[in-house]
Amino acid sequence: DAKTTQPPSMDCAEGRAANLPCNHSTISGNEYVYWYRQIHSQGPQYIIHGLKNNETNEMASLIITEDRKSSTLILPHATLRDTAVYYCIVSYQYGNKLVFGAGTILRVKS
Amino acid sequence: EPEVTQTPSHQVTQMGQEVILRCVPISNHLYFYWYRQILGQKVEFLVSFYNNEISEKSEIFDDQFSVERPDGSNFTLKIRSTKLEDSAMYFCASSSGTYYGYTFGSGTRLTVV
Repeated sequence: DAKTTQPPSMDCAEGRAANLPCNHSTISGNEYVYWYRQIHSQGPQYIIHGLKNNETNEMASLIITEDRKSSTLILPHATLRDTAVYYCIVSYQYGNKLVFGAGTILRVKS
Repeated sequence: EPEVTQTPSHQVTQMGQEVILRCVPISNHLYFYWYRQILGQKVEFLVSFYNNEISEKSEIFDDQFSVERPDGSNFTLKIRSTKLEDSAMYFCASSSGTYYGYTFGSGTRLTVV
């Protein structure tokens, strides 16, 4: 079973920041938090991952709480193309399998 | 940007027939995976492959399934005798095992009739 809890769906206005929460209260010390998204029935797309520090790349920012029990993915300026299912996954690095939950359906609306 | 390529994009097969799904992972990646997604359901892990052998497999990956990396570039999933419940999207993925996460292919939609 997935070790994360996410809201089933969220709406966001185009151009606004989308903040997607994730709870992972049973995360172990050397597990990473990964975020992926899936648009329609395409293959999941890697977005970002982190261990305990906040991370930023060209797609998104990842904020991890100090106790590492929850995190937030931030899409700073959501567009219609960001409408997708977003998955928060905890996993060890270096080749470990990913266990997908149901994710959060993000609908970006104009 | 490097891609994981899967062929065919859609395959229809008769129940009981063998199918081979093909994948070309990113060339310098070391870890290879197959996942599947039944319509409307979660993405499920099937198998991981590293150093020319299976490193982990799920309970879904029974004796009807096998994987192979026949020539150092292709990575295949074979289903020996397909069942109706094997109908799903099958995703191949590869990983370098370092900083970046997996790269998934665009999938093969398998329809068993």
